[in-house]
Amino acid sequence: DQQVKQNSPSLSVQEGRISILNCDYTNSMFDYFLWYKKYPAEGPTFLISISSIKDKNEDGRFTVFLNKSAKHLSLHIVPSQPGDSAVYFCAATAEKGKSTFGDGTTLTVKP
Amino acid sequence: DTAVSQTPKYLVTQMGNDKSIKCEQNLGHDTMYWYKQDSKKFLKIMFSYNNKELIINETVPNRFSPKSPDKAHLNLHINSLELGDSAVYFCASSQAREDYGYTFGSGTRLTVV
Repeated sequence: DQQVKQNSPSLSVQEGRISILNCDYTNSMFDYFLWYKKYPAEGPTFLISISSIKDKNEDGRFTVFLNKSAKHLSLHIVPSQPGDSAVYFCAATAEKGKSTFGDGTTLTVKP
Repeated sequence: DTAVSQTPKYLVTQMGNDKSIKCEQNLGHDTMYWYKQDSKKFLKIMFSYNNKELIINETVPNRFSPKSPDKAHLNLHINSLELGDSAVYFCASSQAREDYGYTFGSGTRLTVV
């Protein structure tokens, strides 16, 4: 049972434009949602998180939006830069700090 | 100074062998994890230790045994390796704050031949 899904395996955007990465979840018990970025041959790096009691969190060029009724979250990157090219994982946390990950979206930002 | 370090980075071994992957964190975190990333890129939790105590033990074959000698170390021992164990194994650690995310190691790519 895949509780966290990223339905777009890949996304390509032009440098300077907005990148929108999407994530859906099924478990209403999740209380935190997180985004990670992963470069090849490296471990995922934590980017930004949002509590289930909020609908938006912003950190520089990165903004995460949460729509609890739709069980949907998204990561906006504005403006996108070539260095943002990576695999992005969304994750959701419930009991005991256990994070359930989506299967990732590969973002390519073209110069 | 690497925050979460795993060794080895690559491991190629034959079926039936026993192998270990070591993980150490110097962040002072209380909780450590092992995740497995399979060929479909899913990151699945295997185990979690908090201050040397096992707190999460997902449905993992008992050929996999974690060992935490202290809160800075979480090693993974795998007995009787099978072809299906081939994957990238990530160690991670976290603070006692759910909004902070994990700090991951760079992974160990295990190939069973």
